[in-house]
Amino acid sequence: DGGITQSPKYLFRKEGQNVTLSCEQNLNHDAMYWYRQDPGQGLRLIYYSQIVNDFQKGDIAEGYSVSREKKESFPLTVTSAQKNPTAFYLCATQPTPSSYNEQFFGPGTRLTVL
Amino acid sequence: AQSVTQLDSHVSVSEGTPVLLRCNYSSSYSPSLFWYVQHPNKGLQLLLKYTSAATLVKGINGFEAEFKKSETSFHLTKPSAHMSDAAEYFCVVNSGYSTLTFGKGTMLLVSP
Repeated sequence: DGGITQSPKYLFRKEGQNVTLSCEQNLNHDAMYWYRQDPGQGLRLIYYSQIVNDFQKGDIAEGYSVSREKKESFPLTVTSAQKNPTAFYLCATQPTPSSYNEQFFGPGTRLTVL
Repeated sequence: AQSVTQLDSHVSVSEGTPVLLRCNYSSSYSPSLFWYVQHPNKGLQLLLKYTSAATLVKGINGFEAEFKKSETSFHLTKPSAHMSDAAEYFCVVNSGYSTLTFGKGTMLLVSP
């Protein structure tokens, strides 16, 4: 079954804790992206990676970190430095990083900080 | 620079009536434009895309959009709404940059 897997679906964290969100894909896509979604805000880009072992900051990277050690995986760590981490997090992939290509989205992880 | 403005945060229609979701964009170059749909607590699904071919683009589930360069618009339409169309819709632009720019979304409400 091809696609993008995000786990867990729901995640609860205490303030001051780091937490890692998983994103795995078996589409053989080169590019992967992390977005944050808040009500009425649309999607905002956190980090993206166009090739293994390389990634770039998006518009709201502060308080987040990523790695891209394998083509299939692009985990996102939400650190304690992120002031307001409660949000819906979406991972996306793109076959190649071209303006003509659409992005494909995973089902999302809802993070709640208690 | 690129930007997207979705002109309505909410649109309400009755089942069986036409749907119009409005989107204006700003772009320094010839853009690619996309419409995505999101049902509650789900990921985004591509409805349709424009990439400099035909200006009238047909998508899934009976949706279509027309690219109008002179008006910098890419409005989404459907002749007859179904209850299952109730969701949030995002207009998205890419002007040749590495990343997409999303509008803030339009919530479509469909009443019986």
